[in-house]
Amino acid sequence: NAGVTQTPKFQVLKTGQSMTLQCAQDMNHEYMSWYRQDPGMGLRLIHYSVGAGITDQGEVPNGYNVSRSTTEDFPLRLLSAAPSQTSVYFCASSRTPSDAGANVLTFGAGSRLTVL
Amino acid sequence: TQLLEQSPQFLSIQEGENLTVYCNSSSVFSSLQWYRQEPGEGPVLLVTVVTGGEVKKLKRLTFQFGDARKDSSLHITAAQPGDTGLYLCAGAVSGSARQLTFGSGTQLTVLP
Repeated sequence: NAGVTQTPKFQVLKTGQSMTLQCAQDMNHEYMSWYRQDPGMGLRLIHYSVGAGITDQGEVPNGYNVSRSTTEDFPLRLLSAAPSQTSVYFCASSRTPSDAGANVLTFGAGSRLTVL
Repeated sequence: TQLLEQSPQFLSIQEGENLTVYCNSSSVFSSLQWYRQEPGEGPVLLVTVVTGGEVKKLKRLTFQFGDARKDSSLHITAAQPGDTGLYLCAGAVSGSARQLTFGSGTQLTVLP
């Protein structure tokens, strides 16, 4: 009954450090995505993937890299962290979205990142 | 500029009162969803509406999709402290189902 699992739950970085936020889902969902949530801004899409080997940019992709080598995993990499990347990050997955049906997302519990 | 504007941003009411939250846009959406988020957790889907004018009810919650598919509302009757949370609307513009856009959210607090 895992759904979407994110690790770590909390992380503190110094400016310039790199790290990877992990995301795994066990629902055999083709679509996976990363959002960041900031106060008063709602959730903003960073990157998304519609299947293994396929990724695309969302609204705020700068400073983040992703890859999708398996259906289950979709890690988010920060190569050189900046204070502006302090946020709560959410991974979400769904069956392949199409205009014929709504893209119903299942979210992880979030990863809170602080960059000093 | 947010594609989806939610109002109000904050709402604090007494138990038993009714309330309405609005989600507005100048864009037409092929579908619109409402999520509820509690502290320390990810958003959880409440409802999806896909047809202009559609009304859906979930116990004391009533969701409506505007006729032109540009806006939506969430009405809660006789609010309870358990309704406290962040309510988020999210929509997909036609042809962009892969990029779900979220509103900025309404933080609801229901006082006992």
